[in-house]
Amino acid sequence: KQEVTQIPAALSVPEGENLVLNCSFTDSAIYNLQWFRQDPGKGLTSLLLIQSSQREQTSGRLNASLDKSSGRSTLYIAASQPGDSATYLCAVTRNEKLTFGTGTRLTIIP
Amino acid sequence: DAGVIQSPRHEVTEMGQEVTLRCKPISGHNSLFWYRQTMMRGLELLIYFNNNVPIDDSGMPEDRFSAKMPNASFSTLKIQPSEPRDSAVYFCASSGVVNRGNSPLHFGNGTRLTVT
Repeated sequence: KQEVTQIPAALSVPEGENLVLNCSFTDSAIYNLQWFRQDPGKGLTSLLLIQSSQREQTSGRLNASLDKSSGRSTLYIAASQPGDSATYLCAVTRNEKLTFGTGTRLTIIP
Repeated sequence: DAGVIQSPRHEVTEMGQEVTLRCKPISGHNSLFWYRQTMMRGLELLIYFNNNVPIDDSGMPEDRFSAKMPNASFSTLKIQPSEPRDSAVYFCASSGVVNRGNSPLHFGNGTRLTVT
């Protein structure tokens, strides 16, 4: 059974700093990995999707990497802003089913 | 595009009552998912449909839970009878044409269910 872990559960960082969020998974037989953002009281917003054949994806200040062999992914956020404060979840996909991590709650301190 | 639309946003009901949650997926998407989110267990997949057909309902916790998708633009998740432990946020999500999971998942804003 696939297990997805995100450590730490919470992270506080001063505004302007670069930061890295971590995601690990136990079964490397995945089709893709997605990073989502969840704001309080809201649904999840897809940020980046990395295909199993890819190593990384970039969107603006966000860069996600994938190392299938080691079962790891990172989400790099450059020049953090208070608006980046949210919970970030990673999810791995196999056969259309996503398995989610429990998320990292990120707080950017102005 | 209005995104995935869920109703109601909040539902408070008494134990034993029937609850029906509704979802309108993004037009053109052919896969629809129902998730439940709690603090204890995070996001759990309950059931998903492909082209209106239920593909995997192994996450449905009990026979009290049922889901339907009568057409491509509408799905319901029903709990009958409801229990306090069903209290959670229920999300609906949809994705486009799927080729081995290449399509991002789009979530609605969820229905917060409280069963007293």
